[in-house]
Amino acid sequence: DVKVTQSSRYLVKRTGEKVFLECVQDMDHENMFWYRQDPGLGLRLIYFSYDVKMKEKGDIPEGYSVSREKKERFSLILESASTNQTSMYLCASSRSGTGGPSLKEQYFGPGTRLTVT
Amino acid sequence: DAKTTQPPSMDCAEGRAANLPCNHSTISGNEYVYWYRQIHSQGPQYIIHGLKNNETNEMASLIITEDRKSSTLILPHATLRDTAVYYCIVRVGDYYAGNNRKLIWGLGTSLAVNP
Repeated sequence: DVKVTQSSRYLVKRTGEKVFLECVQDMDHENMFWYRQDPGLGLRLIYFSYDVKMKEKGDIPEGYSVSREKKERFSLILESASTNQTSMYLCASSRSGTGGPSLKEQYFGPGTRLTVT
Repeated sequence: DAKTTQPPSMDCAEGRAANLPCNHSTISGNEYVYWYRQIHSQGPQYIIHGLKNNETNEMASLIITEDRKSSTLILPHATLRDTAVYYCIVRVGDYYAGNNRKLIWGLGTSLAVNP
């Protein structure tokens, strides 16, 4: 089974702190994604990465950065946390390369509920 | 990627079939229909996808209309564990083409399966 793990289920941080959210997948997937999910807004893509050291901005990258130094690990960084970044953060991974779309579905981690006070 | 429209909520009796509709009237010829679901406090889970033919797997069936402007996800014998938010997404199947690597998520349908 594909497994995507996130470093914490719940996290409480103070305004202005630097926050690291870690995501690890064990299926050698090329693509990794960070989303945030808020009531009434659904899932919104923050950043994604299609290879080591490669990243692309999603729909709401402001206030976030990412790091992918190893294929299995994708980190989301809040340089200076703010209260409007209180949210559920979801990491996902998927395959790339040849093969049909059934091989490329996204697998999600359990999520990290971040509260910034 | 085409936009999808789903009802915000639905109810279903346990043991009965749950039929979840999705409209995607602007779908392009090379776009697939994907369904995911999200059980409370978990990440979304892939269910099924299709292009133009009906599809079935161990979790569900997907019926796509001939004009491909709408589809229906069918859970043949809904259980309490099927209570979740169901997302219908359309996008091209090829992950190589630029932003097509990402999925665009709507708000989904909140399905409540009642005993």
